[in-house]
Amino acid sequence: GAGVSQSPSNKVTEKGKDVELRCDPISGHTALYWYRQSLGQGLEFLIYFQGNSAPDKSGLPSDRFSAERTGGSVSTLTIQRTQQEDSAVYLCASSLKYGNTEAFFGQGTRLTVV
Amino acid sequence: KQEVTQIPAALSVPEGENLVLNCSFTDSAIYNLQWFRQDPGKGLTSLLLIQSSQREQTSGRLNASLDKSSGRSTLYIAASQPGDSATYLCAAPNAGGTSYGKLTFGQGTILTVHP
Repeated sequence: GAGVSQSPSNKVTEKGKDVELRCDPISGHTALYWYRQSLGQGLEFLIYFQGNSAPDKSGLPSDRFSAERTGGSVSTLTIQRTQQEDSAVYLCASSLKYGNTEAFFGQGTRLTVV
Repeated sequence: KQEVTQIPAALSVPEGENLVLNCSFTDSAIYNLQWFRQDPGKGLTSLLLIQSSQREQTSGRLNASLDKSSGRSTLYIAASQPGDSATYLCAAPNAGGTSYGKLTFGQGTILTVHP
């Protein structure tokens, strides 16, 4: 596609439910990032995939959060047993190869846990 | 571990002023530095990418400079317009270690340009 695509754009879920957020990176991009942005806050790093290497999961806030990247392309961020503090905008970005090229962001998924 | 700081946190200027946004980073062994713009409720839009071999990069009214030795980058906006109002973020990648390439962001500068 022309850019990074995220779906859904908005998600409202009940506390305790599981949610899946999807990211389609730019074709050919080997690096993929997930960030979280709470209202009025900066970007909080969640997880980073780089090619075939093991992902950097150091930013995941709890074991309720997980992410995978299938076939080196599409990524899914899963939040289990959602809590109200999970409400935020979840942003995905990709770059052509790790470290040395421009990162492009999707428009984000706004998650609201009620 | 890379740490990125942006100053000021917020800036309000009248239309037409030239302004400078500052970004500092702790690990100077970076390959590039990127500036982004974020409008309220939107994702991030890439403005400029400066490679470590470059000293500056220009796009229209925007000019970004990079001084690796001092760990600093500046974004210069000439003849500011109300449409420039947004949050501006800088990001630097890790240059090595287990998270090579991972982007670290500053907290951003909220810019308001009033008519």
